[in-house]
Amino acid sequence: EAGVVQSPRYKIIEKKQPVAFWCNPISGHNTLYWYRQNLGQGPELLIRYENEEAVDDSQLPKDRFSAERLKGVDSTLKIQPAELGDSAVYLCASSPRQGDTGELFFGEGSRLTVL
Amino acid sequence: RKEVEQDPGPFNVPEGATVAFNCTYSNSASQSFFWYRQDCRKEPKLLMSVYSSGNEDGRFTAQLNRASQYISLLIRDSKLSDSATYLCAVSLNTGGFKTIFGAGTRLFVKA
Repeated sequence: EAGVVQSPRYKIIEKKQPVAFWCNPISGHNTLYWYRQNLGQGPELLIRYENEEAVDDSQLPKDRFSAERLKGVDSTLKIQPAELGDSAVYLCASSPRQGDTGELFFGEGSRLTVL
Repeated sequence: RKEVEQDPGPFNVPEGATVAFNCTYSNSASQSFFWYRQDCRKEPKLLMSVYSSGNEDGRFTAQLNRASQYISLLIRDSKLSDSATYLCAVSLNTGGFKTIFGAGTRLFVKA
């Protein structure tokens, strides 16, 4: 069974530039998450989707971050404009269960460096 | 106070040793508990869920103490391949479920 697929794996951009990350969850997983992980820290939730609906985006910095999950499958996370402090690993995860049960399957992550 | 706290370590242990990690959580309404393993520059992977009665998976034992609000992970007969960061995760319903991760505990197992 294919796991969660993310791209790109690595991205280096200058501050104020836009960047987008893509995620394809495990087939049949209706719940999708975007997390951000800084060095030496645990993952922090940015947004959670149930199908195409964003049910928890309270931690998403909406002034510069946006996300979408059209058709309830793939998802895109965008940052515009990027700031130095956005350098982190952006992890996508999916879960077969509705609601945030904590049993998550993560993708390999997209490592962002903002110069 | 952080919602989920872990000793960052590192824990340096010899092969064959037994090592234990604790993770404390602040919200008594927390409902589900998990241990994840994260290798260097890799994604977190679910190691095991933590059940109220405690549970074991091979060399790994997880326990939950609701009264004191902590979970623990015990690794027996440590292997070199156990070297990783161990993240605890707590799921709670705050008008919608939310999973919060600790910062992780680093383990180094040496020959």
